[in-house]
Amino acid sequence: SAVISQKPSRDICQRGTSLTIQCQVDSQVTMMFWYRQQPGQSLTLIATANQGSEATYESGFVIDKFPISRPNLTFSTLTVSNMSPEDSSIYLCSVSQGRETQYFGPGTRLLVL
Amino acid sequence: KNEVEQSPQNLTAQEGEFITINCSYSVGISALHWLQQHPGGGIVSLFMLSSGKKKHGRLIATINIQEKHSSLHITASHPRDSAVYICAVEGAGSYQLTFGKGTKLSVIP
Repeated sequence: SAVISQKPSRDICQRGTSLTIQCQVDSQVTMMFWYRQQPGQSLTLIATANQGSEATYESGFVIDKFPISRPNLTFSTLTVSNMSPEDSSIYLCSVSQGRETQYFGPGTRLLVL
Repeated sequence: KNEVEQSPQNLTAQEGEFITINCSYSVGISALHWLQQHPGGGIVSLFMLSSGKKKHGRLIATINIQEKHSSLHITASHPRDSAVYICAVEGAGSYQLTFGKGTKLSVIP
């Protein structure tokens, strides 16, 4: 199994600012993913964070808005840039090792005013 | 793109009741996940299924690949089971998940 921590757990931010969310795993993992869950909606994959290369973004998400870093096999960051109230969501990091189940972080609850 | 439907959307049960949550999907998959989301947003993975049935404590998950359907059962429900239960499917050859909208379960003492 993998234990995942995220920082911050929650934040309230002003429109136009940026927030960086950190995801730390207690073991080396191959695949790391970033998800967003807008209020009342299902989780949506933002991007796959690849170690040593650029992240792979899903349709509707772009690097300028959600830059991602993956400096090593245990850590990743997601930045939400130039925030607007529509970015208010829960952001979740998850990891997968081979064919094992996915493990999810505790989430970061973001409110943009 | 896989469409994942869950039912019911909301469920209220009395403590001790047997609970069933259903999930159907539209395209063949390599695995299906049942997840539990707590009020703070954190998610716990309950099961990963590719066939048959799995049991963990009071939780039972089944999947019918031919019918593209899965069920999550909770026996002897308890207020601490109150959470949102999410079904997610994993496409063939990919670790990426497509999620249902979740079922909000409230168990009343």
